[in-house]
Amino acid sequence: GQQLNQSPQSMFIQEGEDVSMNCTSSSIFNTWLWYKQDPGEGPVLLIALYKAGELTSNGRLTAQFGITRKDSFLNISASIPSDVGIYFCAGLPNTGNQFYFGTGTSLTVIP
Amino acid sequence: GAGVSQSPSNKVTEKGKDVELRCDPISGHTALYWYRQSLGQGLEFLIYFQGNSAPDKSGLPSDRFSAERTGGSVSTLTIQRTQQEDSAVYLCASSVVGELFFGEGSRLTVL
Repeated sequence: GQQLNQSPQSMFIQEGEDVSMNCTSSSIFNTWLWYKQDPGEGPVLLIALYKAGELTSNGRLTAQFGITRKDSFLNISASIPSDVGIYFCAGLPNTGNQFYFGTGTSLTVIP
Repeated sequence: GAGVSQSPSNKVTEKGKDVELRCDPISGHTALYWYRQSLGQGLEFLIYFQGNSAPDKSGLPSDRFSAERTGGSVSTLTIQRTQQEDSAVYLCASSVVGELFFGEGSRLTVL
């Protein structure tokens, strides 16, 4: 099946710092989604991307759909304690119906 | 309700027993997915329903797992003769226009 490589696996940062994480795939994707998951809850959709090169923001979050259609990144600016959680990328390839997920980036923000 | 609803939120069962997990998707969403998330892991695709089409069952790990979706709305995931390795959070998501919205999940513990 498709492999989504998400990095870094974990991050420990100081409050106020910027954060960047990315996902790469072995094949072309038509859609990239970014999620945040808090403990004991389901993933919550942050940003959806549908076109190569697309750059979309949601508050302090910015995500981009890579030009090659095989990667995406998520940036968080000026991190705050409530940004703590696990961030997942998800992609929909150009064939099939299955969304594939990255293994997640665990973010810890130190006040 | 406004979001994806799953029940039960927690289920503890003995090895060998059958369990049923329920998902009530967002009204009007024609696509419904089941994923499994083991502790500290990413999301593993199980099954996908789209309207009246035959479901994509390619992710079901064994014939002990089955799912149905009645009337194009509520879905039930059934695990027969549960094993300890079935312990995980089972997440349901519904979709429209390429965005997945998740429920809170059903945490299954097999003793």
